[in-house]
Amino acid sequence: GAVVSQHPSWVICKSGTSVKIECRSLDFQATTMFWYRQFPKQSLMLMATSNEGSKATYEQGVEKDKFLINHASLTLSTLTVTSAHPEDSSFYICSARGGFGEKLFFGSGTQLSVL
Amino acid sequence: QKEVEQNSGPLSVPEGAIASLNCTYSDRGSQSFFWYRQYSGKSPELIMFIYSNGDKEDGRFTAQLNKASQYVSLLIRDSQPSDSATYLCAVNKIFNKFYFGSGTKLNVKP
Repeated sequence: GAVVSQHPSWVICKSGTSVKIECRSLDFQATTMFWYRQFPKQSLMLMATSNEGSKATYEQGVEKDKFLINHASLTLSTLTVTSAHPEDSSFYICSARGGFGEKLFFGSGTQLSVL
Repeated sequence: QKEVEQNSGPLSVPEGAIASLNCTYSDRGSQSFFWYRQYSGKSPELIMFIYSNGDKEDGRFTAQLNKASQYVSLLIRDSQPSDSATYLCAVNKIFNKFYFGSGTKLNVKP
């Protein structure tokens, strides 16, 4: 299967600071990347869809000014949580598709804890 | 109505038995269907995908799709304790969006 690398694996930050999470497709070009968040014992919630070179499409209820997504190249997408608050604490997972039909491959996830 | 629904479980089966996991989806226009396994604190990993009605087998895993009933299932034969995880059903709709069920927790008892 394809390899999707996500960094950092975990991050602890103070309330009000910004956190950037990187997602890279290592052995394929990802035309589309997705960002999900997952609260404990709940399912994955799609936050946004990003296509290389264009603006991300956000799901209803997701603040685009708070969760900044950049997909500058075919192998890299970033999610920046701006002015993070404790309620933003969650498991954030990126995924990518491209070159392998419709299959979706996931990064290892980032556990964000905002104090 | 949720896009994808699964029984949250837990589903407990003895080692060596067949585990049967079920999923229903709401949109008849859904195009492809996936099963992912997620261990606690880890991200999901793809197990099976299926596009057409019927069965698809891969090793100990069999995915079954019935589009008329909007129903997808995953059978795990000869269940092992290492199969204990949460299994997520995912549906790919138009515009490439993937929607996930809430997952079924499977416990395989030695």
